[in-house]
Amino acid sequence: EAGVAQSPRYKIIEKRQSVAFWCNPISGHATLYWYQQILGQGPKLLIQFQNNGVVDDSQLPKDRFSAERLKGVDSTLKIQPAKLEDSAVYLCASSLDRGSFNEQFFGPGTRLTVL
Amino acid sequence: QQQVKQSPQSLIVQKGGISIINCAYENTAFDYFPWYQQFPGKGPALLIAIRPDVSEKKEGRFTISFNKSAKQFSLHIMDSQPGDSATYFCAASSSRVGGADGLTFGKGTHLIIQP
Repeated sequence: EAGVAQSPRYKIIEKRQSVAFWCNPISGHATLYWYQQILGQGPKLLIQFQNNGVVDDSQLPKDRFSAERLKGVDSTLKIQPAKLEDSAVYLCASSLDRGSFNEQFFGPGTRLTVL
Repeated sequence: QQQVKQSPQSLIVQKGGISIINCAYENTAFDYFPWYQQFPGKGPALLIAIRPDVSEKKEGRFTISFNKSAKQFSLHIMDSQPGDSATYFCAASSSRVGGADGLTFGKGTHLIIQP
């Protein structure tokens, strides 16, 4: 079974530029999550999708971050404009369905460096 | 506000010894407590998880002990091996109304097993 795919794996940008990350979840997984992992910390939830609808975006900085999952499969996370403090690894995870007991499978992440 | 507190931040254990990592939570609505293992450059991977209706769960060399009244849980790694060297995260989530079940992570423990 293929895992969660993410691209790019690494991205370096200047502050105030924009950037987008892509995630392809495990086939058949209805629930998709984006997490931000700052160096030396645990992942922090940014947004949760159920199919193509948003379930929870309470921790997403909506003035600069946006995310979509238009067809209920792939998802993109965008930052515009980027700030220095956005330097982090952005992790995508998916689960078969929502419900806390469903295992979340994580992708390898995209490491973003903002200069 | 950090809802899951993890300790220690780093841990060095001799090969064959027992590694113990502790976590405490505040939100009594949490009903799922997983431990994730993360290797450098990889996404977190589920190691073992427990629900609050049991006090202990064992899978191979890995055991979770759970104390609901104290709002604490811990990971024990028996017969620790060099291959166990990684960063370990405790996490928690709840099955909330609307299906929001994103994980709240601790800050992580960097475990080194010395041969």
